[in-house]
Amino acid sequence: SAVISQKPSRDICQRGTSLTIQCQVDSQVTMMFWYRQQPGQSLTLIATANQGSEATYESGFVIDKFPISRPNLTFSTLTVSNMSPEDSSIYLCSVVSYGDIFYEQYFGPGTRLTVT
Amino acid sequence: GDSVTQMEGPVTLSEEAFLTINCTYTATGYPSLFWYVQYPGEGLQLLLKATKADDKGSNKGFEATYRKETTSFHLEKGSVQVSDSAVYFCALSEIEGAQKLVFGQGTRLTINP
Repeated sequence: SAVISQKPSRDICQRGTSLTIQCQVDSQVTMMFWYRQQPGQSLTLIATANQGSEATYESGFVIDKFPISRPNLTFSTLTVSNMSPEDSSIYLCSVVSYGDIFYEQYFGPGTRLTVT
Repeated sequence: GDSVTQMEGPVTLSEEAFLTINCTYTATGYPSLFWYVQYPGEGLQLLLKATKADDKGSNKGFEATYRKETTSFHLEKGSVQVSDSAVYFCALSEIEGAQKLVFGQGTRLTINP
């Protein structure tokens, strides 16, 4: 199984600023994703982080707002730009790796972001 | 597009009670179905999965059967414990390999001793 760490674990930021969240995996993985979990709601996929190329964004999410990097097979960053209170959420990194008998998607512990 | 609907929470039960959390889905193809669990203060973990119709996923005493005719994947456990208190998410993936998950809204379960 893959072990995933995220930094920071939580942050409180002011409106209009940007925050970069890091995701580190302890082994090389094929796919990495970024999800958002807004307060009291479910998880929504933001984008697929592609190694060495631009991320693939889901409908409603754009690169200018959520730039993503993935320089290698074990690391990715998500930046939340020009933040507003509506961006207050938990941001989760996930990876796909081969588990015991099938491919599994493993999730990081999340970054809890509060925008004031 | 694809979607997952879970029963409204929160759900509160006594220890050793029978648990059912309903989950239905809408998908254009033949998705894989999953239950994820998020224990207090921890990350999201895969609880069980099923990849085709009539498959039964099971783990830690929990079970769910992939019912294509009713587009459902209800989670059940015969006797819950206090340690089962968590938030449970039903999810689907159109592509084999647990990629690009679509989640339900989550159901918070509390078990009282």
